[in-house]
Amino acid sequence: GQSLEQPSEVTAVEGAIVQINCTYQTSGFYGLSWYQQHDGGAPTFLSYNALDGLEETGRFSSFLSRSDSYGYLLLQELQMKDSASYFCAGGKAAGNKLTFGGGTRVLVKP
Amino acid sequence: NAGVTQTPKFRILKIGQSMTLQCTQDMNHNYMYWYRQDPGMGLKLIYYSVGAGITDKGEVPNGYNVSRSTTEDFPLRLELAAPSQTSVYFCASSQRTSGGQVYEQYFGPGTRLTVT
Repeated sequence: GQSLEQPSEVTAVEGAIVQINCTYQTSGFYGLSWYQQHDGGAPTFLSYNALDGLEETGRFSSFLSRSDSYGYLLLQELQMKDSASYFCAGGKAAGNKLTFGGGTRVLVKP
Repeated sequence: NAGVTQTPKFRILKIGQSMTLQCTQDMNHNYMYWYRQDPGMGLKLIYYSVGAGITDKGEVPNGYNVSRSTTEDFPLRLELAAPSQTSVYFCASSQRTSGGQVYEQYFGPGTRLTVT
């Protein structure tokens, strides 16, 4: 089956950098997506890595290494509004659905 | 575009009652999904559909049913509600890329269901 593992919680201060790791155990994985969810809200898409390497979108970057079955989301210059849960998600090539990790709750302190 | 809309936003059911959660998308997406999310947990796939008339089970389908008669609508039916079905339910839609991949899903605001 497919499973994606993430740390359950990370705490950091404003302005700091946080890295959220995601390791997965599946074969035929084609890429890794990241979603953000604020308390009481719906998940929203952040980024997608189709290829190995680093993708940068503003303060957020995402990395994928398929040979290591590993990816991470990097949050830079943390702001209070970044306090949320972050989920990695993956799927198989030509597949029709995603499998989500358990989520990492990020708490940003002043 | 409204995106993905869900009704109702909140609902309280008694054990044994039934209800239908509505989901509509106006993005002409072929793929639609139903997830449940328990407090502090990730998203678990209940059912999904790759087009009108085609549905398939996800990870946790027991106690639920779906239908997809149009591209826009994907209702989720709960029969004989049980306390274990207390959760937040999210509907999502996506479009398949030319490479055959699904990676970006658009979520509705969710339905918060309590079964007592």
